[in-house]
Amino acid sequence: GDSVTQMEGPVTLSEEAFLTINCTYTATGYPSLFWYVQYPGEGLQLLLKATKADDKGSNKGFEATYRKETTSFHLEKGSVQVSDSAVYFCALRHQGGSEKLVFGKGTKLTVNP
Amino acid sequence: EAGVAQSPRYKIIEKRQSVAFWCNPISGHATLYWYQQILGQGPKLLIQFQNNGVVDDSQLPKDRFSAERLKGVDSTLKIQPAKLEDSAVYLCASSSPSGGNYNEQFFGPGTRLTVL
Repeated sequence: GDSVTQMEGPVTLSEEAFLTINCTYTATGYPSLFWYVQYPGEGLQLLLKATKADDKGSNKGFEATYRKETTSFHLEKGSVQVSDSAVYFCALRHQGGSEKLVFGKGTKLTVNP
Repeated sequence: EAGVAQSPRYKIIEKRQSVAFWCNPISGHATLYWYQQILGQGPKLLIQFQNNGVVDDSQLPKDRFSAERLKGVDSTLKIQPAKLEDSAVYLCASSSPSGGNYNEQFFGPGTRLTVL
């Protein structure tokens, strides 16, 4: 079945450091890929998405590129801020049929000043 | 625009008791989802409704879990009887067809269930 694998956390960085959170997936066909973020005490929010190979999703300084050849969708940010501290979830969804999201386990990021 | 509302936010029960969660989706959203998020894991879909019909309940433990969405608006998820392994955050989400090939799911704050 479909699955998403994220790098193990937690990740602790200093402010202005470069961030990479790895995400790979296993799925048939061509799923859409997403990154969701969960800030402390809040619900899940969509951060960015990509719906086809080579698409780049971007939002709030975060980027991720849909790499079909490596089945990956790594999240990157050039300079993290304390306010980026949260749990990040990679997810996939198939086109058509059930619209369920299949999530990775999440990666907790802490950014220190 | 109001977001997805869920209640209660927290619930503590003993095993073998029953519990119910309530969700009110964003107004006009036809699709409603219930996800289970166990500590340290990503959310897992339990059931998806399209209006008041079930689209996917393949991962719903039907011997103890039930859900309904009467009138195609709000929904309740029930567990009876609860087990220790049901301790989790239960997330409700909703989406609306946008005419494209992606319908963003908007999540509520969740209900944290602790089974003792």
